[in-house]
Amino acid sequence: GESVGLHLPTLSVQEGDNSIINCAYSNSASDYFIWYKQESGKGPQFIIDIRSNMDKRQGQRVTVLLNKTVKHLSLQIAATQPGDSAVYFCAEDSGGYNKLIFGAGTRLAVHP
Amino acid sequence: DAGVTQSPTHLIKTRGQHVTLRCSPISGHKSVSWYQQVLGQGPQFIFQYYEKEERGRGNFPDRFSARQFPNYSSELNVNALLLGDSALYLCASSPRQIQGADTQYFGPGTRLTVL
Repeated sequence: GESVGLHLPTLSVQEGDNSIINCAYSNSASDYFIWYKQESGKGPQFIIDIRSNMDKRQGQRVTVLLNKTVKHLSLQIAATQPGDSAVYFCAEDSGGYNKLIFGAGTRLAVHP
Repeated sequence: DAGVTQSPTHLIKTRGQHVTLRCSPISGHKSVSWYQQVLGQGPQFIFQYYEKEERGRGNFPDRFSARQFPNYSSELNVNALLLGDSALYLCASSPRQIQGADTQYFGPGTRLTVL
């Protein structure tokens, strides 16, 4: 069935380093992907999205890369800061219509 | 502008009871979706409503129901609560419902504990 998973459950980085969070998806027909950040006790916060007609999209300090050949998605965070510490989820929209399929999440821990 | 709001923030119920959770979407948003997030896992899709009609349903039992009102706010109802219903219930809104999806913005959630 459809699923979205993550390669690394926990990622520890030093403040100032770049972070890369990876995600695999299984539905080759999916055409919309989103990265969310969730801090403890809060709802998921939208970070960046990408549609399947793009390979790369950049935001402020974040870049999402989409490799449709291997069904892989990654989130790059430049100059990681302590405030970036959270759980990051990739999500896939299953055929449109606002039904998101989430992976289990990756915890990012930023150390001073 | 206010984001998605949900009430209550926390709720404690006992097995067999029912619960009603409420969500107000971002002003101008017509689509509301509900998700269940069990501790340590990603959110799971429950329902999606657009223009007051159910447009999608996840793999949840009939004990779960929802509705959307003329002002686009929404309620999620769960009957005959089980211990396994303990979770964070998230509401997300988006402006429209279009093929290829629309960005969804989440509220802070309602933490439900079933004893």
